Amino acid sequence: SAVISQKPSRDICQRGTSLTIQCQVDSQVTMMFWYRQQPGQSLTLIATANQGSEATYESGFVIDKFPISRPNLTFSTLTVSNLSPEDSSIYLCSGDSNYEQYFGPGTRLTVT
Amino acid sequence: AQRVTQPEKLLSVFKGAPVELKCNYSYSGSPELFWYVQYSRQRLQLLLRHISRESIKGFTADLNKGETSFHLKKPFAQEEDSAMYYCALSMNTGFQKLVFGTGTRLLVSP
Repeated sequence: SAVISQKPSRDICQRGTSLTIQCQVDSQVTMMFWYRQQPGQSLTLIATANQGSEATYESGFVIDKFPISRPNLTFSTLTVSNLSPEDSSIYLCSGDSNYEQYFGPGTRLTVT
Repeated sequence: AQRVTQPEKLLSVFKGAPVELKCNYSYSGSPELFWYVQYSRQRLQLLLRHISRESIKGFTADLNKGETSFHLKKPFAQEEDSAMYYCALSMNTGFQKLVFGTGTRLLVSP
């Protein structure tokens, strides 16, 4: 199994600023993913964080808005740039270990 | 495109009643299906997957490829089953890139 932690757990940011979310796994995982859960909506995959290379983004998500880093097998960051109220969501990190996906507790972002 | 549909936002039952949470999917390939659960103030966690064909906490789910369904069932609901349940699909690309349904909140009353 894998235990995933995220920082911060929540934040309130002003529009136009950026927020960087950290994701730490207690063991090496094959894949790491970032999801968004907008209010009242389901989880939507933003991107796959690839170790040592550029992330793979899903349709509708771009690197300029959601830059992602994964410097090693246990850590990743997601930055949400140029914030607008529409970015208010819960952002979740997950890791894939032995074909089971483990989720972090989420980061609740409110943009004012 | 792949899609997962959970038609019920809320399912409310009494303790001891049977429960069925519906999930339908669309995917042209051979998918892997999962049920995830999120209890109050806890993180999302895997409940069961179709390839395991096991019962977890009394819940079972059978993949019906003809009806493209993966409904979650339990014969006798318990109050501790109250939670948010998400059906998810993986395109079985060698790692799990999941597509989630919108979720069903199960409320079990005493």
